[in-house]
Amino acid sequence: DAMVIQNPRYQVTQFGKPVTLSCSQTLNHNVMYWYQQKSSQAPKLLFHYYDKDFNNEADTPDNFQSRRPNTSFCFLDIRSPGLGDAAMYLCATSRVDEDSTDTQYFGPGTRLTVL
Amino acid sequence: AQSVAQPEDQVNVAEGNPLTVKCTYSVSGNPYLFWYVQYPNRGLQFLLKYITGDNLVKGSYGFEAEFNKSQTSFHLKKPSALVSDSALYFCAVRAFKSSARQLTFGSGTQLTVLP
Repeated sequence: DAMVIQNPRYQVTQFGKPVTLSCSQTLNHNVMYWYQQKSSQAPKLLFHYYDKDFNNEADTPDNFQSRRPNTSFCFLDIRSPGLGDAAMYLCATSRVDEDSTDTQYFGPGTRLTVL
Repeated sequence: AQSVAQPEDQVNVAEGNPLTVKCTYSVSGNPYLFWYVQYPNRGLQFLLKYITGDNLVKGSYGFEAEFNKSQTSFHLKKPSALVSDSALYFCAVRAFKSSARQLTFGSGTQLTVLP
């Protein structure tokens, strides 16, 4: 089945130690998103890639970076995690073209714990 | 600016009874409207969407939603609730044909179906 996959599902890191979260998709979608979700709140968009074009949200801290080496994969890098970065990180994908409705499909998420 | 309001943080309903989860929105122009469901420690699952056409939209797991333009509402409904429907529900909006990719989510409604 076509899907959005996130690895790992659970990640523990230490304060200040860089961490990378991974997302892959078999949907052949051209847009990939990263969201941060805390304590059952609404997901907050960090940034997205439209094909190779990176689009950062204005209030996303510089501590968060992303890479998309190819259509299928996208990474979220947290350069120096703080305690406040503990959250669920959600990857989503969508297909944007003239006929699409740009519905976003989400992966299962990675729960990040910062010690 | 676009916004979504889910006026109820918590909805409780008895199994077998009909359920309604409320959503109102604000957007410039015509909206794309979505409902997602989230189970504990999982990503968001797409339930249904309204783009255009019939105001009553049918989605996954027996859910449906009614678009009401005059009331700017998109309430989620199900004729007979199941215990397994207990989860966190998010309504989301995006402006029709907007070049901005961002979905605006409501704050979420925790649905509990009591056996």
